[in-house]
Amino acid sequence: GENVEQHPSTLSVQEGDSAVIKCTYSDSASNYFPWYKQELGKGPQLIIDIRSNVGEKKDQRIAVTLNKTAKHFSLHITETQPEDSAVYFCAASIPSDMRFGAGTRLTVKP
Amino acid sequence: DGGITQSPKYLFRKEGQNVTLSCEQNLNHDAMYWYRQDPGQGLRLIYYSQIVNDFQKGDIAEGYSVSREKKESFPLTVTSAQKNPTAFYLCASSLLGGEETQYFGPGTRLLVL
Repeated sequence: GENVEQHPSTLSVQEGDSAVIKCTYSDSASNYFPWYKQELGKGPQLIIDIRSNVGEKKDQRIAVTLNKTAKHFSLHITETQPEDSAVYFCAASIPSDMRFGAGTRLTVKP
Repeated sequence: DGGITQSPKYLFRKEGQNVTLSCEQNLNHDAMYWYRQDPGQGLRLIYYSQIVNDFQKGDIAEGYSVSREKKESFPLTVTSAQKNPTAFYLCASSLLGGEETQYFGPGTRLLVL
C-alpha cells in the first residue's frame, strides 16, 4: 500500500520568512495530493491540493509543487504570519485509499 | 468544519463500557470515514463507507464498529475490546470514494476514566 513520509516534524520560522514542508510517497499510482492545516483541538482543514497532471499550484501565499518522477511534493508558505502556526499534514491518494503523513508542527515567531 | 458535525466534543468512557461517537454530514457526500489521531501522529483509518449499508475496515478496525443506515450518518462505536481508546477521533466525508477531497469534522476527544 501507499506510504507517505513527511519532513520536518517540527519547523520554527520568524514572521515574514518562508516555510517549506516536504513529503514523499511510494505508490506511483497516486494521483491526488491534498494538504491540510490543523489547529489545536480542531479538525484538519484543506488548504490546497494538486493533481498529478499539474506540476505546481498557487493560492496567495501558499503553493504546492509536485514531482511525479521523484515521487515527492512540497508545501511552500511565503511571508509567514503567526496565524500560520499549526500542524500541517500532507496526503497522497489512490482510488479508495488516502494516506497521510505524520504531520509538521509549524511555529511562526513574531 | 463545513457541513460535518461530530458529537460530543469530549467523551468519557469507563472500563468495560461501549461508547458511540456521532458523525453527521449535510453535504450529500456518498463516502464517509473515521480516523484516529494520537498525539504527535498522523491519521489512521478505522473504517470507511462508500455507500449506505456498506462499509470496510481500515488499518486499525479492531475494537471498533460502525453502521451506515443513512447517507448522512456514520456513527462509530468504541467497544470494550479496544484496550487503548484514548485518542482524538475524526470523521470525514467526500463526494465519492477514492481520489476525492475529504472534509473533516471538528473531532471528538475520548478519555478513559
